[in-house]
Amino acid sequence: NAGVTQTPKFRILKIGQSMTLQCTQDMNHNYMYWYRQDPGMGLKLIYYSVGAGITDKGEVPNGYNVSRSTTEDFPLRLELAAPSQTSVYFCATSLGGQGLSPLHFGNGTRLTVT
Amino acid sequence: GQNIDQPTEMTATEGAIVQINCTYQTSGFNGLFWYQQHAGEAPTFLSYNVLDGLEEKGRFSSFLSRSKGYSYLLLKELQMKDSASYLCAVDSGNTPLVFGKGTRLSVIA
Repeated sequence: NAGVTQTPKFRILKIGQSMTLQCTQDMNHNYMYWYRQDPGMGLKLIYYSVGAGITDKGEVPNGYNVSRSTTEDFPLRLELAAPSQTSVYFCATSLGGQGLSPLHFGNGTRLTVT
Repeated sequence: GQNIDQPTEMTATEGAIVQINCTYQTSGFNGLFWYQQHAGEAPTFLSYNVLDGLEEKGRFSSFLSRSKGYSYLLLKELQMKDSASYLCAVDSGNTPLVFGKGTRLSVIA
């Protein structure tokens, strides 16, 4: 049982490049989230999805895009990478809304944009 | 708006007790989560408080006062492996979890 799997673990991008961070889960959870975490800061929500075909913006969505075509996958797309997007990105899932079940996190993707 | 405050850093001695506070001001409130995050790793769930009072889970306890917008995480019999960041997060009901910046706890011998 893999849980929440993120790939890649590490990536270095040049300014202006684009990439997709992959997130896949095998827990059949409806809710999926993308957070970023900067040093000394808490987790900031980028985008989230309450089910296949539905996505919503979080607190810091600019510069990112998402899609949710299946229950299992929730990729995060960075277009025109900028140094401000250097961060650790966590994908998370939950069975129901926040109060119903805790978040399960992937191991993170450490991204550097230079 | 949403505002969650926690101390940035704390240091405590092995074997001691430490209390990590969290105060919040949010537009709605269903409950409050505590997560533990070791350096370089993902956060993991510790506790969820909905009602006022203390919830105990082994060496860890979490307290909530809804009227005061206040929670704390109590760690007893501290061990070196408890060195980590502790994240407070509020379930406001309408939106996904809002996290505080976290408290980095260092346990020293």
